[in-house]
Amino acid sequence: EVQLVQSGAEVKKPGESLKISCQGSGYSFANYWIGWVRQMPGRGLEWMGIIYPDDSDTRYSPSFQGQVTISADTSITTAYLHWSSLKASDTAMYYCARQYGRYFDAWGEGTLVTVSS
Amino acid sequence: QSALTQPASVSGSPGQSITISCTGTSSDVGGYNSVSWYQQRPGRAPKVMIYDVVNRPSGVSNRFSGSRSGNTASLTISGLQAEDEADYYCGSYVGSTTIFGGGTKVTVL
Repeated sequence: EVQLVQSGAEVKKPGESLKISCQGSGYSFANYWIGWVRQMPGRGLEWMGIIYPDDSDTRYSPSFQGQVTISADTSITTAYLHWSSLKASDTAMYYCARQYGRYFDAWGEGTLVTVSS
Repeated sequence: QSALTQPASVSGSPGQSITISCTGTSSDVGGYNSVSWYQQRPGRAPKVMIYDVVNRPSGVSNRFSGSRSGNTASLTISGLQAEDEADYYCGSYVGSTTIFGGGTKVTVL
């Protein structure tokens, strides 16, 4: 069974850094794109970017380019989403999802990030 | 790339059929067989219901069906049930990126 397990909820202050994780299991982690999706409170889904763990080929939405960094470590089958300096507007639920062909077939449970002074 | 356009809400009575539209352009929805639909229940992660415009993943009820005409894709839910009450999002895969619709809240009256 394909599973994506995300790290727990985070509460941070503006300006702090953060890295959240998404560990895959039940499939060949290196050979499937993993995407990150943001959902702000009461809002819709926003595609942030995607990474191919085998060679770390990464694509970003123009809206998130330069705002976050996506990475992956195949040795521990884990993908990451990193902020170097959080803003209050980064408060949201973040989902990772496996891309299977042209759609996301498996999703993590989400990581809630709260940024508040 | 702009978000795809969906109605904010659709409602129906149990047993009825409803259709949710997803309008894009010839560069996304109308240009590729790569439209997918996701159901998101409150407090839960999204779940794929339809992929590649018309295909249903194993385990998804056959009451869910997808179609497309021109630059508009549609998700139809037949025999509406209380458990179908959720938010629904369309997605269009274009050149390794995905564009989502704004989402539609389905209410079962």
